[in-house]
Amino acid sequence: GDSVTQMEGPVTLSEEAFLTINCTYTATGYPSLFWYVQYPGEGLQLLLKATKADDKGSNKGFEATYRKETTSFHLEKGSVQVSDSAVYFCAFPPRGSQGNLIFGKGTKLSVKP
Amino acid sequence: NAGVMQNPRHLVRRRGQEARLRCSPMKGHSHVYWYRQLPEEGLKFMVYLQKENIIDESGMPKERFSAEFPKEGPSILRIQQVVRGDSAAYFCASSPGAQNYGYTFGSGTRLTVV
Repeated sequence: GDSVTQMEGPVTLSEEAFLTINCTYTATGYPSLFWYVQYPGEGLQLLLKATKADDKGSNKGFEATYRKETTSFHLEKGSVQVSDSAVYFCAFPPRGSQGNLIFGKGTKLSVKP
Repeated sequence: NAGVMQNPRHLVRRRGQEARLRCSPMKGHSHVYWYRQLPEEGLKFMVYLQKENIIDESGMPKERFSAEFPKEGPSILRIQQVVRGDSAAYFCASSPGAQNYGYTFGSGTRLTVV
C-alpha cells in the first residue's frame, strides 16, 4: 500500500552545516509531494511542495526535488540555523484521497550554535 | 488573524470516561481534518468533514470514536469509554477547499488516559 519512509532522527547539526533529510515513498501513480515542519509546541505548517516529476519545491532556504526514478523527495538546506530546529514530515495524498495525506514518522532536527 | 484553534491543549481522562476535543478552523475554512499521532508514529488520518457532513471517515476506529462539524460552532472529536491506547496527540487541520493540501494545523490536544 501507499507509504512514506523517512530517515530516522534525531539529526543533530552545527549551525551553518548542510542538511539532508531523506524521504522515499511508495505510491500508486504520481501524487503531489509535501514537506511539513512542526516547531516546538506548535502545529504542522506546510514548508514546500512539488506537484510533478522533476519539480523543485523551495521555501525559507529549503529545497526538495520530485524524483520519479528513485521515488524520493529529499529535503535539503545549504546552511541551517538554530531556528530550523523542528520536526520535519514528508507527506502525499494517497490515490483516491478526498483531502487526506499520508505522513512519514517525522525527523527531528536539532541545530546547535 | 487567528489560526486553527484546538482546545484543550492537554486532557487527562480516566479509563471509561468520555473525551471531547474541539477544533475551530481558520476563518473562511469550511473543511476540517482530524489526525492522530501515537508515540513514535507519524500522523494518521482519521476523518474529513465539511459543515454538517462527513466526507471521509475511513481512518476512524469503528467503535467509540465519532466526529461532527455542525453548522455553527467548532468541530468535535468524541471518544467514548476511553482506553489507555487512546493516549495520543490529536491534531486538527483546516483548508478553504477540497483537495487543498496546504493545510493549516492547530497545535493539537494531548490526551492522556490514566
